[in-house]
Amino acid sequence: ETGVTQSPTHLIKTRGQQVTLRCSSQSGHNTVSWYQQALGQGPQFIFQYYREEENGRGNFPPRFSGLQFPNYSSELNVNALELDDSALYLCATQLPSGRNDNEQFFGPGTRLTVL
Amino acid sequence: GDSVTQMEGPVTLSEEAFLTINCTYTATGYPSLFWYVQYPGEGLQLLLKATKADDKGSNKGFEATYRKETTSFHLEKGSVQVSDSAVYFCALSENTNAGKSTFGDGTTLTVKP
Repeated sequence: ETGVTQSPTHLIKTRGQQVTLRCSSQSGHNTVSWYQQALGQGPQFIFQYYREEENGRGNFPPRFSGLQFPNYSSELNVNALELDDSALYLCATQLPSGRNDNEQFFGPGTRLTVL
Repeated sequence: GDSVTQMEGPVTLSEEAFLTINCTYTATGYPSLFWYVQYPGEGLQLLLKATKADDKGSNKGFEATYRKETTSFHLEKGSVQVSDSAVYFCALSENTNAGKSTFGDGTTLTVKP
């Protein structure tokens, strides 16, 4: 059991709406990454947060934004939802650099459906 | 940019058969390489990893060797079990930051008794 939790488990929205997904990391994991996994594909890196600042971003438009809080939990916000945003959204956390043995731990994901 | 290519699935094997899932990569530097497994309805779990050329990662009977000359990281297991049925993802990360990984599209493995 990884200890990374995500909420909600499932979500249905309509095109144009906004959504917020949440991720709680394990104790001491100060880095969180978000990935989008479309059906039948591998996860794609959206962005990473470290010490409440964005620390790298993949090829996603600005309507994908995030936050990291002092307790290292995180949110992913998506504005102006499009049908292609339907996917499993995964967060993954890491221990501080030098202690993480280059490993990340995934949560179970949030399944977003956009109608 | 970085990319990972996995053999197309699905792969169906009988119990105790030998498994190979091919993975090749393209990267600008010297990446770390990973295999993850995803069971139905769950997130990804790290299966094994290798951080430099000729390293062999191993776990639960699975092995993969980092081959820089062929830019490959093929996953193997000598004798699969029904419980190994899952989707397997090959991935790489640059600069030892696993949190910015590039993934392949996954290979679905079904093992029949």
